[in-house]
Amino acid sequence: GNSVTQMEGPVTLSEEAFLTINCTYTATGYPSLFWYVQYPGEGLQLLLKATKADDKGSNKGFEATYRKETTSFHLEKGSVQVSDSAVYFCALGDTGGGNKLTFGTGTQLKVEL
Amino acid sequence: DAGVIQSPRHEVTEMGQEVTLRCKPISGHDYLFWYRQTMMRGLELLIYFNNNVPIDDSGMPEDRFSAKMPNASFSTLKIQPSEPRDSAVYFCASTDGGGRATQYFGPGTRLLVL
Repeated sequence: GNSVTQMEGPVTLSEEAFLTINCTYTATGYPSLFWYVQYPGEGLQLLLKATKADDKGSNKGFEATYRKETTSFHLEKGSVQVSDSAVYFCALGDTGGGNKLTFGTGTQLKVEL
Repeated sequence: DAGVIQSPRHEVTEMGQEVTLRCKPISGHDYLFWYRQTMMRGLELLIYFNNNVPIDDSGMPEDRFSAKMPNASFSTLKIQPSEPRDSAVYFCASTDGGGRATQYFGPGTRLLVL
């Protein structure tokens, strides 16, 4: 079945540092890939997505590229801010024609001054 | 649009009581999902509906949990009787389908069963 593996957290960075959160997936077919972010006390919000191989999703300075050859969708940001502190979830879309998402376990990011 | 609306935002109850969580999806969305989030188990899909019909309830933990969607703008998740291990944050999400569509999450209901 489909699955998502995300790097363990927490990740602690200083402000303006470079961020990478690794995400790899296992799936049949060609799923859409998503990154969601959850700020403390809130629900999940879509951060970015990519729907086919080599697509790059981007939003708020975050980027991720759909790499079919390595089955990866790593999240990157060149310079993090304290306000980026949150939990980040990688997710895999349903390849069976439905709309289920398979989520990774989440990676907590803490950005310090 | 107001987004996905959930109520109550917080619920504290005693073991054995019935708990009802409510969700109003985004207007026009034909898929609705219920998730549970805990530290131990992460984010789990409990059940989802398409056009008000339950499609997959394999994630519902046991018979104490039930979910309904009587119309396109309202769904409930009921726990009867509740147990302390049901303490979690319950999220509702909706999407307009299409196979690659984004799910939009509500703010969640934080449930504490004493």
